[in-house]
Amino acid sequence: DVKVTQSSRYLVKRTGEKVFLECVQDMDHENMFWYRQDPGLGLRLIYFSYDVKMKEKGDIPEGYSVSREKKERFSLILESASTNQTSMYLCASSTNRAEPYEQYFGPGTRLTVT
Amino acid sequence: GQQVMQIPQYQHVQEGEDFTTYCNSSTTLSNIQWYKQRPGGHPVFLIQLVKSGEVKKQKRLTFQFGEAKKNSSLHITATQTTDVGTYFCAGRWSYNTDKLIFGTGTRLQVFP
Repeated sequence: DVKVTQSSRYLVKRTGEKVFLECVQDMDHENMFWYRQDPGLGLRLIYFSYDVKMKEKGDIPEGYSVSREKKERFSLILESASTNQTSMYLCASSTNRAEPYEQYFGPGTRLTVT
Repeated sequence: GQQVMQIPQYQHVQEGEDFTTYCNSSTTLSNIQWYKQRPGGHPVFLIQLVKSGEVKKQKRLTFQFGEAKKNSSLHITATQTTDVGTYFCAGRWSYNTDKLIFGTGTRLQVFP
């Protein structure tokens, strides 16, 4: 069974703080993704990584950066948190090795920036 | 840029009634996936459609992919309280990408 874990379920940070969200998958998946989920907006892709040290911007990368030093771990970094980054953050992983290439999601981190 | 819209945003039904959510893309898709997110949970993969006009069934759920591969639908027959959740479509616009464009989701509430 694929498992995707995220470092925290709930996080409260102050405006201007640097925030790290960690995601780990145990299935040797090549691809990892960070999304944010907001009511009425669905899931929006922040960043995507298809290999170690490789990253690609998604639809809303502004204010975020990512790091993938090891295949199983993908970190999302908020350099200077702002209140408009209060959201649910979902990590996902997928493989290119077998159809249907579905994405497996972690439980999510609900981040509140005050 | 590519967009995927879903309607309706919310649907409340009585248990036993049918339910349909529609997904429309601004561009032709290579394939489309559907996910379900239970309240408080995370999205879970349901199915993938690849071929133009494809129809797939999972028990009471019927998934369709449009002839032009720009729209899709999910129909649930005789809803049950276990169907409660948010349903997302997610399109892939190229065979060369692993990125999905998620729709805005339809939140289904079922009253017993």
